[in-house]
Amino acid sequence: GENVEQHPSTLSVQEGDSAVIKCTYSDSASNYFPWYKQELGKRPQLIIDIRSNVGEKKDQRIAVTLNKTAKHFSLHITETQPEDSAVYFCAASSSWGKFQFGAGTQVVVTP
Amino acid sequence: EADIYQTPRYLVIGTGKKITLECSQTMGHDKMYWYQQDPGMELHLIHYSYGVNSTEKGDLSSESTVSRIRTEHFPLTLESARPSHTSQYLCASSEGLAGVGGTQYFGPGTRLTVL
Repeated sequence: GENVEQHPSTLSVQEGDSAVIKCTYSDSASNYFPWYKQELGKRPQLIIDIRSNVGEKKDQRIAVTLNKTAKHFSLHITETQPEDSAVYFCAASSSWGKFQFGAGTQVVVTP
Repeated sequence: EADIYQTPRYLVIGTGKKITLECSQTMGHDKMYWYQQDPGMELHLIHYSYGVNSTEKGDLSSESTVSRIRTEHFPLTLESARPSHTSQYLCASSEGLAGVGGTQYFGPGTRLTVL
């Protein structure tokens, strides 16, 4: 089955700097890669996703890149703000719809 | 408004009790999921369903059961609650797009405490 590894587990950045979170997956059949943000006490919320026929996608300050050959994808947050502080999860899914999540990255943005 | 609803939001019960956590979605999604998550930690898949009368076990399924009699409803039952079941339980659903994975949406969660 699918295995998703996520690094780092914690990330502390200064406000205004960039943050990068990396994930690797094992199942070559995976074709959908979402990223979720979970604030304390709240449900995970989708922030950006990418499909296997696309190499990069951007939405304002966040972007995701996908390298299918190397089986890894990354989340990039630019110009970080205190409200970006949260736990971020990557995930991989195939057409069967079963999701495998990474272990999460605790991002702390310090003013 | 299309959404996923979970009840109860909070539950405190004694060891050995049988409980059912409710999950309903009004988005018309075929696929539904149950996850267990300690605060800020990894999501562990308990059960999932591809549609009515279809259920599959995840990683932590041995002490719980699910049913999918209606598309919109996916309840989770713990036959005999134990303190180790204390956690947050998240229900989710996703579209059943043929050939590609669909976006997964989460409910607000049920925070369970077993004394």
